[in-house]
Order: sequence, then structure tokens, then C-alpha cells
Amino acid sequence: GENVEQHPSTLSVQEGDSAVIKCTYSDSASNYFPWYKQELGKRPQLIIDIRSNVGEKKDQRIAVTLNKTAKHFSLHITETQPEDSAVYFCAASHGGNKLVFGAGTILRVKS
Amino acid sequence: GAVVSQHPSWVICKSGTSVKIECRSLDFQATTMFWYRQFPKQSLMLMATSNEGSKATYEQGVEKDKFLINHASLTLSTLTVTSAHPEDSSFYICSARVGGGRSPNEKLFFGSGTQLSVL
Repeated sequence: GENVEQHPSTLSVQEGDSAVIKCTYSDSASNYFPWYKQELGKRPQLIIDIRSNVGEKKDQRIAVTLNKTAKHFSLHITETQPEDSAVYFCAASHGGNKLVFGAGTILRVKS
Repeated sequence: GAVVSQHPSWVICKSGTSVKIECRSLDFQATTMFWYRQFPKQSLMLMATSNEGSKATYEQGVEKDKFLINHASLTLSTLTVTSAHPEDSSFYICSARVGGGRSPNEKLFFGSGTQLSVL
């Protein structure tokens, strides 16, 4: 089955700097890669997703890149703000199958 | 995004009792819902896939007789933790798939979660 690895497990950046979180997946058939942000005690919120027919997607300060050959995808947050501090999860699935989540990254933005 | 409502948000119960958690899709129909369990500072672990009108599909290691799932309508799935024990204490969270099946626009939205504490 699919296996998703996520790095780093924790990430501290200074406010205004960029943050990058990377994930790799094992199933070459996976074609859907969402990213979720979860604040303490709250539900995961979908922040951006990408499908296998594109290599990059951007939404304001957030972007995701996908390298199908290498089977990895990354989340990029630019101009980080304190409110970006949260746990971020990547996930992968294919053909409407269940999502498999990475272990999560705790992002701390220091002001 | 789509709205998924989950109740209760927290529950405290005595060991041996059963607890029911509800997951509703408020503004869309969800033929498939998923139930996850999350321990503190850990990732979401899929417990089972709930399909409307049919039996749920459980992940390996999840006891189907302990975690009863019912998906009786296109907008409601319930998870019942039977004979709860302290080790069942966890954050349970449901999700619903919008644009299900092989739709290119499929997305997954989460309920607000239920913190279960078994004394």
C-alpha cells in the first residue's frame, strides 16, 4: 500500500522567512496530493492540493510542487506569519481511494 | 469548502459504557465518509471507510465489533465506541469526500473532531 514520509518533523522559522515541507510517496499510481493545516484541538483544514497532471500550484503565499518521477511533493510558504504556526500534514491517494497521511510537521513562526 | 459537522466535540464516559459520535455532511451528500483516530502530536490514522448503505471497511488492526460504524443516509455516519476503556481515549475525527469516486475534483473535508476521555 501507499506510504507517505514527511520531513522535517519540526520547523522553526523567523517571521517573514520561507518555510518548506517535503513529502515522498511510494505508490506511483497516486495522483492526488493535498496539504492540511491543523491547529491545536481543531480539525485539519485543506489549504492547497495538487493533482498529478500539473507540476506546480500556487495560492497567494502558499505553493505546492510535484515531481512525479521522483515521487515527492513539497509545500512552500512564503513571507511566513505567526498565524501560520500549526501542524501541517501532507497526504496522497489515487483513484478516489483513501488518503494516506504523512506524520506531520510542526511549524513555528517566531516573531 | 464543504461543511462537515461532528458531534459531540468532547465526551467523558465511564469505562464499559458506549459512546456514539455523529458525522454529518451539511451542504452536500457524501456516499463515503472516513473515520480517523489521532493521538496527541501524531498523525491521523484511518480506522475505517464508511459507505452509505453497505458495511464499513475497516483497516487492519481495527476491531469492527468495538468500533461500530453505521452510514444509514447520504448525510450521516455514526461511530459507536462500544464498551469503552481508557486506552480508547483519543481524538476521533471524521471526514467526507466531496466529488467521490474517481472524480478529478474530489476533495476531503474534516469534521471538528471528538475528544473522548474514558475514565
